[in-house]
Amino acid sequence: GNSVTQMEGPVTLSEEAFLTINCTYTATGYPSLFWYVQYPGEGLQLLLKATKADDKGSNKGFEATYRKETTSFHLEKGSVQVSDSAVYFCALFEAGGTSYGKLTFGQGTILTVHP
Amino acid sequence: GAVVSQHPSWVICKSGTSVKIECRSLDFQATTMFWYRQFPKQSLMLMATSNEGSKATYEQGVEKDKFLINHASLTLSTLTVTSAHPEDSSFYICSARDYSGYQETQYFGPGTRLLVL
Repeated sequence: GNSVTQMEGPVTLSEEAFLTINCTYTATGYPSLFWYVQYPGEGLQLLLKATKADDKGSNKGFEATYRKETTSFHLEKGSVQVSDSAVYFCALFEAGGTSYGKLTFGQGTILTVHP
Repeated sequence: GAVVSQHPSWVICKSGTSVKIECRSLDFQATTMFWYRQFPKQSLMLMATSNEGSKATYEQGVEKDKFLINHASLTLSTLTVTSAHPEDSSFYICSARDYSGYQETQYFGPGTRLLVL
């Protein structure tokens, strides 16, 4: 079955530091890949997505590139802010078959950014 | 983006009672909604897929008689935890599928924290 593995957290950074959160996946077909963010007390928000190999998703300074050869979708940001503190989830969506419409999530990575 | 609400945001109940959680899509119609469960410091686990006007599809290992799902309208799905026990304490999150525009997107509710005493 499908699976998503994220780097274990928590990740603690100083403001303006460079961020990388690793994500690798296993899928039977050609999934779409997502990063969701969950701020304290809130639901999940879609941060960015990529639907095919070599696509780059970007939003709010965050980027992730769909790498089929390494089955990875690592999240990066060049300069984090305190307001980026949240839990980040990598997820995949595979159309077709019994998995249609279902998101498979990684375990989540807690990011804390200090001033 | 579209908004999905959940009610209540948190609930405390006694063991053996039933609890109903509502999930509403506020500005779009959702023929399909999803119910997830999230344990502390863990990822979301899909419990079931809720389809408007038909029976829900449960994931393997999820007791359908324990977690009753009703999707009676295009904007409302409910999850009822029947005869709740302390091990049912968790954070329950719903999402709604929006087909508008050229892409399908899932929007998530803020979650409901359940504590069973």
